[in-house]
Amino acid sequence: DIQMTQSPSTLSASVGDRVSITCRASQSVNSWLAWFQQKPGKAPKLLIYKTSTLESGVPSRFSGDGSGTEFTLTISSLQPDDFATYYCQQYNSYRFTFGPGTKVDIK
Amino acid sequence: QVQLQESGPGLVKPSETLSLTCSVSGYSISSGYYWGWIRQPPGKGLEWIGSIYHSGSTHYNPSLESRVTISVDTSKNQFSLKLTSVVAADTAIYYCARVEGPWGQGTLVTVSS
Repeated sequence: DIQMTQSPSTLSASVGDRVSITCRASQSVNSWLAWFQQKPGKAPKLLIYKTSTLESGVPSRFSGDGSGTEFTLTISSLQPDDFATYYCQQYNSYRFTFGPGTKVDIK
Repeated sequence: QVQLQESGPGLVKPSETLSLTCSVSGYSISSGYYWGWIRQPPGKGLEWIGSIYHSGSTHYNPSLESRVTISVDTSKNQFSLKLTSVVAADTAIYYCARVEGPWGQGTLVTVSS
């Protein structure tokens, strides 16, 4: 099965910062990679699918890139609403798997 | 607008079977996509449980495969999860989702006597 890792596990940043989260797969997932944002007590929210396609309604400061085994989620200018945990998920193989998450907190 | 809603008991006794249903509105399951179940134990990350295609083809997390069944009822536009022989470690928020979104709001299932 495909294993997913994320780095860093925690990221401390300030409002206005440009931040990036990396997601790596143990084997190629082509472009079948999604990113989710989760806030405490809430369901995960889809941000990006197929590596770089922004879900409707998601601010353009979010972007995704990569292919194969390495992917990046970038927030161009961190806003107060963006402090949350972010998960990547591959859906290339039929056995979908998630990364362990990256918590973005206030510096 | 596609919406998913989980339903089922919030409390299940150890060794019994957890059963949840996901009702889909705004999109016909028969039209395509994989549909799945994900869970999140309190304070932990997301764990994919399994997925089903509208044709009935299923795929499960190997760590749960011996206890999990996911089925689909296209006439009701629903899909369901059964997890047998539950233990306390199965306590989690259970989400249903369409691959590439959206997700349901989640339902907390507690395993306790």
